Amino acid sequence: GAVVSQHPSRVICKSGTSVKIECRSLDFQATTMFWYRQFPKKSLMLMATSNEGSKATYEQGVEKDKFLINHASLTLSTLTVTSAHPEDSSFYICSANRGNTGELFFGEGSRLTVL
Amino acid sequence: GQNIDQPTEMTATEGAIVQINCTYQTSGFNGLFWYQQHAGEAPTFLSYNVLDGLEEKGRFSSFLSRSKGYSYLLLKELQMKDSASYLCAVRLNQGGKLIFGQGTELSVKP
Repeated sequence: GAVVSQHPSRVICKSGTSVKIECRSLDFQATTMFWYRQFPKKSLMLMATSNEGSKATYEQGVEKDKFLINHASLTLSTLTVTSAHPEDSSFYICSANRGNTGELFFGEGSRLTVL
Repeated sequence: GQNIDQPTEMTATEGAIVQINCTYQTSGFNGLFWYQQHAGEAPTFLSYNVLDGLEEKGRFSSFLSRSKGYSYLLLKELQMKDSASYLCAVRLNQGGKLIFGQGTELSVKP
Protein backbone atom coordinates (compact mmCIF):
# COMPACT_ATOMS: atom_id res chain seq x y z
CA GLY A 1 0.00 0.00 0.00
CA ALA A 2 0.89 3.64 -0.21
CA VAL A 3 3.46 4.93 2.23
CA VAL A 4 3.10 8.59 1.28
CA SER A 5 -0.34 10.09 0.81
CA GLN A 6 -1.06 13.33 -0.98
CA HIS A 7 -4.29 15.31 -1.00
CA PRO A 8 -6.11 16.56 -2.98
CA SER A 9 -5.37 14.60 -6.13
CA ARG A 10 -7.05 17.21 -8.30
CA VAL A 11 -7.95 20.80 -7.62
CA ILE A 12 -9.34 23.56 -9.80
CA CYS A 13 -9.25 27.10 -8.55
CA LYS A 14 -9.75 30.63 -9.76
CA SER A 15 -6.88 32.93 -10.48
CA GLY A 16 -5.86 34.89 -7.39
CA THR A 17 -6.92 32.31 -4.84
CA SER A 18 -4.64 30.13 -2.71
CA VAL A 19 -4.50 26.36 -2.73
CA LYS A 20 -3.10 24.04 -0.08
CA ILE A 21 -1.74 20.58 -0.86
CA GLU A 22 -1.02 18.11 1.93
CA CYS A 23 1.59 15.38 2.00
CA ARG A 24 1.51 12.76 4.74
CA SER A 25 3.90 9.96 5.54
CA LEU A 26 1.99 6.88 6.63
CA ASP A 27 3.37 4.65 9.37
CA PHE A 28 6.72 6.40 9.47
CA GLN A 29 8.18 9.72 10.46
CA ALA A 30 9.76 11.94 7.86
CA THR A 31 11.95 14.78 9.08
CA THR A 32 12.52 15.74 5.49
CA MET A 33 10.09 15.78 2.58
CA PHE A 34 10.60 17.02 -0.96
CA TRP A 35 8.26 18.90 -3.25
CA TYR A 36 8.50 18.48 -7.00
CA ARG A 37 6.71 20.06 -9.89
CA GLN A 38 6.14 18.44 -13.25
CA PHE A 39 4.97 19.98 -16.51
CA PRO A 40 3.37 17.82 -19.21
CA LYS A 41 5.87 15.46 -20.85
CA LYS A 42 8.65 16.90 -18.71
CA SER A 43 10.62 15.49 -15.82
CA LEU A 44 10.30 16.30 -12.15
CA MET A 45 11.75 19.58 -11.03
CA LEU A 46 12.72 19.83 -7.38
CA MET A 47 11.10 22.90 -5.85
CA ALA A 48 12.09 22.69 -2.21
CA THR A 49 13.13 20.54 0.69
CA SER A 50 10.70 20.64 3.59
CA ASN A 51 12.34 20.36 7.01
CA GLU A 52 10.34 19.48 10.10
CA GLY A 53 10.41 22.29 12.61
CA SER A 54 12.44 24.68 10.49
CA LYS A 55 12.27 26.67 7.30
CA ALA A 56 12.13 24.96 3.94
CA THR A 57 15.09 25.09 1.62
CA TYR A 58 14.10 26.35 -1.81
CA GLU A 59 15.81 25.59 -5.10
CA GLN A 60 17.13 28.40 -7.20
CA GLY A 61 14.42 30.20 -9.09
CA VAL A 62 11.56 29.02 -6.88
CA GLU A 63 9.70 31.87 -5.16
CA LYS A 64 9.37 31.08 -1.48
CA ASP A 65 6.60 33.65 -0.99
CA LYS A 66 4.67 32.09 -3.82
CA PHE A 67 5.05 28.49 -2.71
CA LEU A 68 4.71 28.37 1.05
CA ILE A 69 5.89 25.18 2.70
CA ASN A 70 5.10 24.17 6.24
CA HIS A 71 6.36 21.01 7.93
CA ALA A 72 4.77 21.25 11.33
CA SER A 73 4.90 17.60 12.28
CA LEU A 74 6.94 14.51 11.48
CA THR A 75 4.22 13.14 9.25
CA LEU A 76 2.81 16.19 7.48
CA SER A 77 4.15 18.76 5.06
CA THR A 78 1.96 21.26 3.24
CA LEU A 79 2.53 23.28 0.09
CA THR A 80 0.40 26.38 -0.38
CA VAL A 81 0.32 28.01 -3.79
CA THR A 82 -0.54 31.62 -3.02
CA SER A 83 -2.33 33.98 -5.38
CA ALA A 84 -2.42 31.29 -8.01
CA HIS A 85 -2.12 32.14 -11.69
CA PRO A 86 -2.76 29.98 -14.75
CA GLU A 87 0.98 29.42 -15.18
CA ASP A 88 1.00 27.70 -11.79
CA SER A 89 -1.11 24.94 -13.28
CA SER A 90 0.98 21.82 -12.99
CA PHE A 91 1.38 18.41 -11.37
CA TYR A 92 2.83 18.73 -7.87
CA ILE A 93 4.35 15.67 -6.22
CA CYS A 94 5.77 15.21 -2.75
CA SER A 95 8.17 12.55 -1.57
CA ALA A 96 9.83 11.27 1.59
CA ASN A 97 12.56 8.86 2.60
CA ARG A 98 11.55 6.03 4.85
CA GLY A 99 14.32 4.98 7.20
CA ASN A 100 17.78 4.48 5.77
CA THR A 101 16.80 2.28 2.85
CA GLY A 102 17.56 5.02 0.38
CA GLU A 103 14.26 4.55 -1.37
CA LEU A 104 12.28 7.71 -1.91
CA PHE A 105 8.53 7.22 -1.79
CA PHE A 106 6.26 9.50 -3.76
CA GLY A 107 2.78 10.69 -3.04
CA GLU A 108 0.08 10.21 -5.63
CA GLY A 109 0.52 13.73 -6.96
CA SER A 110 -1.82 16.71 -7.12
CA ARG A 111 -2.93 18.17 -10.40
CA LEU A 112 -3.61 21.88 -10.04
CA THR A 113 -5.56 23.77 -12.67
CA VAL A 114 -5.85 27.53 -12.28
CA LEU A 115 -8.57 29.14 -14.36
CA GLY B 1 25.13 22.79 -12.15
CA GLN B 2 23.71 19.33 -12.23
CA ASN B 3 23.39 17.47 -15.51
CA ILE B 4 21.58 14.19 -16.08
CA ASP B 5 21.04 13.01 -19.64
CA GLN B 6 18.91 10.26 -21.05
CA PRO B 7 17.28 9.75 -24.46
CA THR B 8 13.94 11.44 -24.89
CA GLU B 9 12.17 8.59 -26.64
CA MET B 10 12.67 4.92 -27.43
CA THR B 11 10.57 2.32 -29.18
CA ALA B 12 10.82 -1.44 -28.76
CA THR B 13 8.87 -4.56 -29.61
CA GLU B 14 6.87 -6.70 -27.22
CA GLY B 15 8.99 -9.59 -25.92
CA ALA B 16 12.27 -7.88 -26.76
CA ILE B 17 14.97 -6.35 -24.55
CA VAL B 18 15.60 -2.62 -24.29
CA GLN B 19 18.40 -0.68 -22.62
CA ILE B 20 17.86 2.89 -21.47
CA ASN B 21 21.07 4.81 -20.82
CA CYS B 22 21.68 7.62 -18.38
CA THR B 23 24.80 9.75 -17.95
CA TYR B 24 25.30 12.20 -15.14
CA GLN B 25 27.59 14.98 -13.99
CA THR B 26 26.61 16.14 -10.53
CA SER B 27 28.18 17.96 -7.61
CA GLY B 28 27.67 14.95 -5.35
CA PHE B 29 26.69 11.33 -5.60
CA ASN B 30 24.96 9.12 -3.08
CA GLY B 31 23.11 6.69 -5.31
CA LEU B 32 21.31 6.44 -8.62
CA PHE B 33 17.63 5.60 -8.92
CA TRP B 34 15.36 4.49 -11.72
CA TYR B 35 11.65 5.21 -11.60
CA GLN B 36 8.78 4.31 -13.89
CA GLN B 37 6.02 6.81 -14.46
CA HIS B 38 2.77 6.30 -16.32
CA ALA B 39 1.00 9.37 -17.64
CA GLY B 40 -0.85 11.27 -14.94
CA GLU B 41 0.55 9.15 -12.14
CA ALA B 42 3.34 9.53 -9.61
CA PRO B 43 6.66 7.75 -10.23
CA THR B 44 7.14 4.26 -8.87
CA PHE B 45 10.50 2.95 -7.70
CA LEU B 46 12.28 0.41 -9.90
CA SER B 47 15.89 0.19 -8.76
CA TYR B 48 18.70 1.74 -6.78
CA ASN B 49 22.48 1.51 -7.34
CA VAL B 50 25.10 3.02 -5.08
CA LEU B 51 28.02 0.69 -5.89
CA ASP B 52 29.37 -0.21 -9.31
CA GLY B 53 27.84 -3.21 -10.96
CA LEU B 54 24.59 -4.79 -11.92
CA GLU B 55 21.47 -5.04 -9.77
CA GLU B 56 18.87 -7.50 -11.00
CA LYS B 57 15.23 -7.47 -10.04
CA GLY B 58 13.04 -9.77 -12.08
CA ARG B 59 12.63 -8.40 -15.61
CA PHE B 60 14.46 -5.21 -14.66
CA SER B 61 18.20 -4.76 -14.16
CA SER B 62 20.20 -1.62 -13.53
CA PHE B 63 23.91 -1.04 -13.97
CA LEU B 64 26.15 1.65 -12.55
CA SER B 65 29.68 2.83 -13.30
CA ARG B 66 30.57 5.70 -10.98
CA SER B 67 33.90 6.40 -12.67
CA LYS B 68 32.12 6.92 -15.99
CA GLY B 69 29.08 8.68 -14.57
CA TYR B 70 26.94 6.15 -16.38
CA SER B 71 23.99 3.92 -15.68
CA TYR B 72 21.54 1.90 -17.69
CA LEU B 73 18.20 0.27 -17.07
CA LEU B 74 17.62 -3.03 -18.85
CA LEU B 75 14.10 -4.26 -19.41
CA LYS B 76 13.66 -7.85 -20.57
CA GLU B 77 10.65 -9.67 -22.03
CA LEU B 78 8.95 -6.39 -22.75
CA GLN B 79 5.23 -6.17 -22.20
CA MET B 80 2.78 -3.60 -23.49
CA LYS B 81 2.26 -2.33 -19.95
CA ASP B 82 5.95 -1.35 -19.85
CA SER B 83 5.09 1.60 -22.10
CA ALA B 84 5.82 4.52 -19.77
CA SER B 85 8.35 7.19 -18.97
CA TYR B 86 11.53 6.01 -17.25
CA LEU B 87 13.28 8.50 -15.03
CA CYS B 88 16.91 8.39 -14.00
CA ALA B 89 17.65 10.27 -10.78
CA VAL B 90 20.79 10.97 -8.79
CA ARG B 91 20.76 11.47 -5.03
CA LEU B 92 23.30 14.15 -4.27
CA ASN B 93 23.89 13.45 -0.63
CA GLN B 94 22.61 11.55 2.38
CA GLY B 95 19.89 14.16 2.80
CA GLY B 96 17.95 12.37 0.10
CA LYS B 97 17.52 15.19 -2.43
CA LEU B 98 17.05 13.64 -5.88
CA ILE B 99 17.75 15.36 -9.16
CA PHE B 100 15.94 13.86 -12.13
CA GLY B 101 16.84 13.48 -15.76
CA GLN B 102 14.29 14.53 -18.36
CA GLY B 103 12.89 11.01 -18.64
CA THR B 104 12.79 8.51 -21.50
CA GLU B 105 9.40 7.84 -23.05
CA LEU B 106 9.33 4.14 -23.97
CA SER B 107 6.75 2.85 -26.42
CA VAL B 108 6.31 -0.91 -26.64
CA LYS B 109 4.77 -2.05 -29.93
CA PRO B 110 3.12 -5.41 -30.63
